[in-house]
This record gives sequence, structure tokens and C-alpha cells, in this order.
Amino acid sequence: AQSVTQLDSQVPVFEEAPVELRCNYSSSVSVYLFWYVQYPNQGLQLLLKYLSGSTLVESINGFEAEFNKSQTSFHLRKPSVHISDTAEYFCAVSSVRSQGNLIFGKGTKLSVKP
Amino acid sequence: KAGVTQTPRYLIKTRGQQVTLSCSPISGHRSVSWYQQTPGQGLQFLFEYFSETQRNKGNFPGRFSGRQFSNSRSEMNVSTLELGDSALYLCASSLGLAGLGDTQYFGPGTRLTVL
Repeated sequence: AQSVTQLDSQVPVFEEAPVELRCNYSSSVSVYLFWYVQYPNQGLQLLLKYLSGSTLVESINGFEAEFNKSQTSFHLRKPSVHISDTAEYFCAVSSVRSQGNLIFGKGTKLSVKP
Repeated sequence: KAGVTQTPRYLIKTRGQQVTLSCSPISGHRSVSWYQQTPGQGLQFLFEYFSETQRNKGNFPGRFSGRQFSNSRSEMNVSTLELGDSALYLCASSLGLAGLGDTQYFGPGTRLTVL
């Protein structure tokens, strides 16, 4: 069965430090990859997505993720985090195998400290 | 454009009761999917509706059901509520079927508490 593994359940980091949130997926077919962010008591917001083409995708608020097919990874990075980035981040995959619906990882709670 | 809206935002029910949750997708979106979010199981897919037809269903018991109306609005129903049904229920809409890589946009969720 298709699955998504987020290797860290919690990541504490100081403000202005770089951060990487790791995501690995299992699939033998072509996939679409997504990162969503969830702030407390809110729904999910799309951060960025990979459908095809350039393996490096960027969001408008400084996050980027790189699709690595050989390592089946889609890690999320930001060179300098802000307090406002404190949230839970979910990696998700969809494919023909999942009939297109999103298979989510367990989430990574990013805590940015001053 | 207005985003995905869900009503009610919070709901408290007792075991054995039934509940209906509502979702209004983004204007023009034809697909609505439902997800359950719990601390233990994380985010799990319930079902997807497209053009008033259920296209896909997750691994949930038959107590969970849904429907979609001609204006793409969707409802999900849970009958004979159990304590374990306490969760955040999220609705997501997309232009077409999620299987084509269409981005799903999520609503704020309905927080259901079963006592």
C-alpha cells in the first residue's frame, strides 16, 4: 500500500535558523506530491506541490521542496524561519494507485523559538 | 473567490446519535472529498464525490456516508456515533477529480466531540 513517512514528529528551531522537514513516500508509479500547513484550530493550507517538470518547487513564503525520485523523498526546506512559521506540516502523495486521493504523513510540528 | 466553507464548526453529540456535516466547495469546483483527522490516526480519507456520484471510498464502516448535490455542495452523515468518532472532519474541493493531480483546497473543518 502507498504510504508517506515524515521522519520527525517535532522539530524545534530558533528564529532565523534554517530548517528541513523530511518526507519519504513509497510508490512504484508516478506520483503527485504536496506539502500542506495547518495552523492551530484551522484547516489545511497548500504550501507547495510537485506535479511534473522542475524537481525544485517553491512557495511564496520562502519554503522550497525538492523531488528526488531515486530516494523517493520530497523534503521541505526554509533557509531562515520566523515565529509565524510555527505550525504543523503535512506531506501528502496522490497517484493513480490511491485513485488520486491524498495519502498523508503523520505530520511534523515545527516550533520556532525566539 | 470564497474558500471552502464547512458548517457547523463545532458539534457535541452523545453516543448513539447521528450527525450531518455540510460542506460548500469553491465556486466552480466539482469534486468534494472528506477526511477525518484524529491525534492517533492522523488524516484519513473518507470519500470523494464528483458530479453527485461517489467516486472513491476509504476504509471506514458503513455508518459513514455522504452525498453531493447538483450545486456540488456535499454532506456527510455519521450514524450511531461512537466515542472514537470524535475528530476534526475536513472537506476539500478541487476542480476535477483528485486523481488528475488537481489541488485539493481544504475548509476549516468541523470539530465533532462525542460524549
